[in-house]
Amino acid sequence: QSVLTQPPSVSGAPGQRVTISCTGNSSNIGGGYDVHWYKQLPQTAPKLLIYGNINRPSGVPDRFSGSKAGTSASLAITGLRAEDEADYYCQSYDSDLIGWVFGGGTKLTVL
Amino acid sequence: DVQLVESGGGLIPPGGSLRLSCAASEITVSDNYMSWVRQAPGKGLEWVSSLYSGGRTYYADSVKGRFTISRDNSNNTVFLEMNSLRVDDTAVYYCARIVTRSVVTWYFDLWGRGTLVTVSS
Repeated sequence: QSVLTQPPSVSGAPGQRVTISCTGNSSNIGGGYDVHWYKQLPQTAPKLLIYGNINRPSGVPDRFSGSKAGTSASLAITGLRAEDEADYYCQSYDSDLIGWVFGGGTKLTVL
Repeated sequence: DVQLVESGGGLIPPGGSLRLSCAASEITVSDNYMSWVRQAPGKGLEWVSSLYSGGRTYYADSVKGRFTISRDNSNNTVFLEMNSLRVDDTAVYYCARIVTRSVVTWYFDLWGRGTLVTVSS
């Protein structure tokens, strides 16, 4: 059971918009810790997608955006493309556990 | 290129020990916060351990007392010593660098390709 909760799967047609939620509690997201997002293709290492809730590293398209409110955060992907099909993970820090925590991951399928 | 390269994985029986290595290029491990993150087959990511530049170490409860993170500054390498291995330690182990931009912002910006550890009799 992951500390951060994500939906197991989401799907959308090419060109559409999808969102992936990430819910925590008062010791992580709700405690003010930032949320970060990673994209993982099969058999490859995770890649940083969004950091500090809303920031994109160099090279990440602006089709990807993040937000945070209260004990939850969301990743939005607009203009869906086939290459967006992957697993997406949220991550934060937990002051009770004194460590880094991940969501269980969300598999995005582009129909 | 900036990169992290893990090695040392393999097949090990329950109760055995293994040491993973993470060789860094173009970054200095002693100047950075380094971590190990694992992923069991078909499962999600799980933080395992971190080593701060100042030497402080942190462990997930699932590995505390069994795993030890350390570094060799002269070889610019981070290690994960794993003892009393269990079947549920089976996973790909990734070496990763933590970036901290504030007291509330901690994320992994650089990842290795991972090394597979299989604990089975």
